Amino acid sequence: GAGVSQTPSNKVTEKGKYVELRCDPISGHTALYWYRQSLGQGPEFLIYFQGTGAADDSGLPNDRFFAVRPEGSVSTLKIQRTERGDSAVYLCASSSTSGALTSTDTQYFGPGTRLTVL
Amino acid sequence: TQLLEQSPQFLSIQEGENLTVYCNSSSVFSSLQWYRQEPGEGPVLLVTVVTGGEVKKLKRLTFQFGDARKDSSLHITAAQPGDTGLYLCAGVEDDYKLSFGAGTTVTVRA
Repeated sequence: GAGVSQTPSNKVTEKGKYVELRCDPISGHTALYWYRQSLGQGPEFLIYFQGTGAADDSGLPNDRFFAVRPEGSVSTLKIQRTERGDSAVYLCASSSTSGALTSTDTQYFGPGTRLTVL
Repeated sequence: TQLLEQSPQFLSIQEGENLTVYCNSSSVFSSLQWYRQEPGEGPVLLVTVVTGGEVKKLKRLTFQFGDARKDSSLHITAAQPGDTGLYLCAGVEDDYKLSFGAGTTVTVRA
């Protein structure tokens, strides 16, 4: 499809394990964002990529979280030593420009990966 | 911590009724966006408001941005079951970072 895709759609893991979540943005979109949405809350910003580089990673909660986008397209969010509090839906979004989110630009969200840490 | 507060948290109405959802903040945003999210999907942008006092209409939905650019409202006229969903407001920071409210869950009963 032409939208943002995320895999897997669901991931169940045990406390202490390592997980990788993948995002395929819309083709040609230079900007990519990761958000985390906990139950009953709105999405919370994690990190923003412009091309291959992380332009803003101020939302990553701690050093267990890391994200890469080596070729400026697909991105992977990596979580080490998972904790039960990491359970949430992880959303990825992409947009076509590097500039302002104006009335002519939009972040397009994927369906998310639901992560459950037992 | 969410900078934007949305009210009410839940809203259940009968088809044909009107409803208003509120989004309030102590911070000024350069612009504010409204999204609708359905179960198992990501948020979908409905509108962006930029200018204080701005009013935008999208079919039966009317969006208003407060004069001080700190608050906004979404009004739905003659709601339909298809309007059911989670409505999220988001302030735009630094031109790219979205700061979301916790959302209002709207249920329209047929």
